[in-house]
Amino acid sequence: DIVMTQSPDSLAVSLGERATINCKSSQSVLYSSNNKKYIAWYQQKPGQPPKLLIYWASTRESGVPDRFSGSGSGTDFTLTISSLQAEDVAFYYCQQYYSTPFTFGPGTKVDIK
Amino acid sequence: EVQVLESGGGLVQPGESLRLSCEASGFTFSVYAMNWVRQAPGKGLEWVSTISGSGGSTYYADSVKGRFTISRDNSKNTLYLQMNSLRAEDTAVYYCAKDAQLSSAIERYTWFDPWGQGTLVTVSS
Repeated sequence: DIVMTQSPDSLAVSLGERATINCKSSQSVLYSSNNKKYIAWYQQKPGQPPKLLIYWASTRESGVPDRFSGSGSGTDFTLTISSLQAEDVAFYYCQQYYSTPFTFGPGTKVDIK
Repeated sequence: EVQVLESGGGLVQPGESLRLSCEASGFTFSVYAMNWVRQAPGKGLEWVSTISGSGGSTYYADSVKGRFTISRDNSKNTLYLQMNSLRAEDTAVYYCAKDAQLSSAIERYTWFDPWGQGTLVTVSS
């Protein structure tokens, strides 16, 4: 099974400042046949289901503000919120869909400082 | 609008059974794989099971294999999760989620979108 880890567990950032969340997979999720990285990022606010932000590690879902961006290589990935807004307070999860069992990171809580 | 809506959660005793349903609308249900993901209270997300569009292929997390059965009725646009021999550790909000893209031989798997609002399953005596 591919184990996903995230760091930090939580972070507090001032409004308008940058927030960076790291995600690491225990093995490469880069599929050589299509050169795609099988990583998605989701945002979850209290009492709500997860909402898709990013897929293929760096493709922003339609309607997601461009302050959210994803990047990374075969095993190390990053979600960046370039200018934190109050509505971005939430948990953020990375997920690998390279192979079953599909696995999620433990989550990172983002708060306002 | 693409939507999925879960139902069937509730309070059951350890060892009992429960069947969850997920009604889909706004897309051609029969061609998309569907998924169940759960979230224990205050915890992270755990993938539970996936079923192909035809229903011919199913996948399970080791934690539920042999106890849970995923199925679908494409004539009713409905996904199911039959949960038997329930344990306290199965207590969670269960989300239904649609495969975001059609499966292809090249890409194989896809991310989940959208997700339903979830249904709470509580296993307790």
